[in-house]
Amino acid sequence: SYELTQPLSVSVALGQTARITCGGNNIGSKNVHWYQQKPGQAPVLVIYRDSNRPSGIPERFSGSNSGNTATLTISRAQAGDEADYYCQVWDSSILFGGGTKLTVL
Amino acid sequence: QVQLVQSGAEVKKPGASVKVSCKASGYTFTSYGISWVRQAPGQGLEWMGWISAYNGNTNYAQKLQGRVTMTTDTSTSTAYMELRSLRSDDTAVYYCAITAADHPLDWFDPWGQGTLVTVSS
Repeated sequence: SYELTQPLSVSVALGQTARITCGGNNIGSKNVHWYQQKPGQAPVLVIYRDSNRPSGIPERFSGSNSGNTATLTISRAQAGDEADYYCQVWDSSILFGGGTKLTVL
Repeated sequence: QVQLVQSGAEVKKPGASVKVSCKASGYTFTSYGISWVRQAPGQGLEWMGWISAYNGNTNYAQKLQGRVTMTTDTSTSTAYMELRSLRSDDTAVYYCAITAADHPLDWFDPWGQGTLVTVSS
């Protein structure tokens, strides 16, 4: 069965760029979506179809997908970006990555 | 604005059933589908299944086949998720989310606020 691999945690200095990866076999051939989830809240879509931002999501959030890795990039990281981030794909079923905790130092 | 409002927290005994509702507003209910996702305490997201509010088609996660039923009531723009034969590992926050009407492949946006279901004897 298809698996998605995310790092458990990523740390970034305030104002710097954070990159969160989502690994999967030939994931570049799939559509990848990303969600942000803050403690006690429902997930929020931040990127859909690899690199598209929903309305209301800052331009600091961007995405890419190629080969075996999809990447969520958060530029000029802010304290408010601290959250868990999940990638999602379809492979005969909806699959989520295990989630990455982003810490802004 | 587009909004999903879910029913309140539930406490159930092992072996019982639970039915969670998800009331939609701010958009044409039958133009989209609803997916259900759950999250056990301290764990990640797990997709449970999808229902088209357009035609009632469903697609359930293999793991839950036979225990889960998803329905909609278009007259009240409400989706329902019923889970039977509850076990302790069904304890989780259950979310509904808007997605495509014709297939379960797409992204989820927005999500409901979540419903905590606790299974305990």
